[in-house]
Amino acid sequence: GAGVSQSPSNKVTEKGKDVELRCDPISGHTALYWYRQSLGQGLEFLIYFQGNSAPDKSGLPSDRFSAERTGGSVSTLTIQRTQQEDSAVYLCASSLGRQGFTEAFFGQGTRLTVV
Amino acid sequence: GNSVTQMEGPVTLSEEAFLTINCTYTATGYPSLFWYVQYPGEGLQLLLKATKADDKGSNKGFEATYRKETTSFHLEKGSVQVSDSAVYFCALGSPFQKLVFGTGTRLLVSP
Repeated sequence: GAGVSQSPSNKVTEKGKDVELRCDPISGHTALYWYRQSLGQGLEFLIYFQGNSAPDKSGLPSDRFSAERTGGSVSTLTIQRTQQEDSAVYLCASSLGRQGFTEAFFGQGTRLTVV
Repeated sequence: GNSVTQMEGPVTLSEEAFLTINCTYTATGYPSLFWYVQYPGEGLQLLLKATKADDKGSNKGFEATYRKETTSFHLEKGSVQVSDSAVYFCALGSPFQKLVFGTGTRLLVSP
C-alpha cells in the first residue's frame, strides 16, 4: 500500500488477555517505530527498529510488552496479560532511515481498550 | 542524547491572530527538524521539515526556520484559522537514530 497500515483499527480485550497489534510499513522503509498515545497525552516512545541492527527497546514499559519485525518488514507488538492502564492508541511509523530521509510516516493507529 | 523541548499548551488564540509555538533542541551532528500536526481524532501527519541550518520549512501558511545558533525551530503562522486547532509536535531526526518528539502543544483557535 501507499502508507503505513495498522490492524486492527480498534481492539477491545478483557484484562489479563494477550493482544497482538500489527504494522505494515511503507515498502522499502528500513526504520520502524512504535509509540503509544494515551487520551489527550503526548507520544510515548516504545521501540525502534533500524534495518538489521538490534532494536532500541528502551521505551517498553514492562516485560509484558514485546515487539518483533520479521524480514525487515511487518512488525507485531504483543502485550501479554493486558491491564487497564494499557488502554491507549498504539501508533506505528516508518521512515527510509537513510541520511537526509529521516521523516517518519504514521499509520492511523490501533485503539486498544482493556475492560 | 538528542532531545526536543517545546512550549506547554494549550495555546488559545482568536481567529486571524499570529501564532508562535517555540521549539528548541539538543543534538549532536546535523539533524533534520520537523513539525507534525495531529487534528482531532486523526493520526499524525508531517506539516513541514528542514534538513539543514537556515532552511525554512513551510506548508499551509505555517513556517519554521532551522536556527543552529539558537538551536531552535519555532513554528509560526501569520493568521490562524479555527481549522488549525490541533496538537503540534516538534521532532528531531538524525540518520540511523530514532526520531525524537517533543511533548506536543495543543492549539485552540476560537472564531
